[in-house]
Formats: sequence, structure tokens, C-alpha cells
Amino acid sequence: DTEVTQTPKHLVMGMTNKKSLKCEQHMGHRAMYWYKQKAKKPPELMFVYSYEKLSINESVPSRFSPECPNSSLLNLHLHALQPEDSALYLCASSQRLAGGPGGETQYFGPGTRLLVL
Amino acid sequence: GEDVEQSLFLSVREGDSSVINCTYTDSSSTYLYWYKQEPGAGLQLLTYIFSNMDMKQDQRLTVLLNKKDKHLSLRIADTQTGDSAIYFCAESPRSSNTGKLIFGQGTTLQVKP
Repeated sequence: DTEVTQTPKHLVMGMTNKKSLKCEQHMGHRAMYWYKQKAKKPPELMFVYSYEKLSINESVPSRFSPECPNSSLLNLHLHALQPEDSALYLCASSQRLAGGPGGETQYFGPGTRLLVL
Repeated sequence: GEDVEQSLFLSVREGDSSVINCTYTDSSSTYLYWYKQEPGAGLQLLTYIFSNMDMKQDQRLTVLLNKKDKHLSLRIADTQTGDSAIYFCAESPRSSNTGKLIFGQGTTLQVKP
């Protein structure tokens, strides 16, 4: 089973709202990732967690706040977003960050399509 | 530096073979990946190849790797309309050791009936 689930599937929010995106995997993976993807563009890495600790923050604005409460769950808290933040938000997981046969292979969830009005 | 390049568009007829090409720059990459993205969906891992291999075959998919030229290709045999999607090539540079994937811009494959 290589399934990563994400909720909600779609989200519409105003610029003053607070919302959260949720990602879950039960593959025993210890690295989890958030990506942002604009239409017809490749995903852009936002955050990487390794063993529940933040490993990489790709200079993401503070209105995006990640959280990894346990090894299976990854959240992305959203506050005071701008219309240009509208995008597909993808979560991914891998066994670990690097090294070993296929251990760094990333499996993606279906994404949350976010619209900021 | 790290860079991955792909042609943006490919159109084929149903039943033909499709070949999607990719070039990368980081010779330290351990794994190279092909992902498929259908409209409105996430990225689906199609296949990956370890950098010490030249070829990998999986049913209708054949991946060829030319390390000398840093060229990767994905061949889809007997292309079907369900293969219409965007295909992303990605490398995992060992030099970064961060889990960061470097993606190409994606090739849109259009399959005509």
C-alpha cells in the first residue's frame, strides 16, 4: 500500500480565515513533505519533515505554518492568505530523506485544491 | 547547478509509442523518477531508475538512462487515451541529501484516437 491521503479535497477561504490542511500516511514513512503547485507547473517544495522534526523550510511566508504531530500525520495551518496562494497543495512521504534502495522515493497524495478569495 | 529540462508537449496517435525525454545536470543523482499527473489529480509515481542502471522495463514502460549525456527517457508502448497527462521527470541529487526533488517543467502528452 503506497497511499497518502489528504483532506479536504477542495477548500475555499477568505483572506481573514484560518484553516488547516491534513495529510496522513500509514506506510511507516518518516519523511513527509508539503508542496505547492500552480497550474501546468511542477510542484514547488515548501517544507520537509524528517522524524517529526522540521528539516527544510524553503523560505515560505509565515502565513503557512506546518505541524507534524506524529509520524503519520502532517498538517498545514493557513492564516491570512493572499489570492496568489490559490494553488494545489500536495503532500508526499518517503521512507526517509536519502540513502538506500528506493528509500527516498516520494509518494504523493491527491492534493487539496485551495482557492483564496 | 541543479536543473532538469523536458520538452513541453508531445502528441501521438493511439497505439503508437510515445517517447518523453529529459536532461538533468547533477551527476551525483542517485535516483531519477517519472511521475504522471492527470488533470485535477496528484502525482502518481510511474517508475524510477537507480543511477547505476541503463534500462528498466515495467510492462508498457521502458526507461533508458544515458549517464554520460545525462539523458533520461520514458517510452510508453501502445499508447492509450488514458495515458494523456503531464509527465514529470525528477532527480534526487545526493549532493543535497535533503530529500529535495528537482522537477522538470513537465511534458504534456496528448493521445489522439
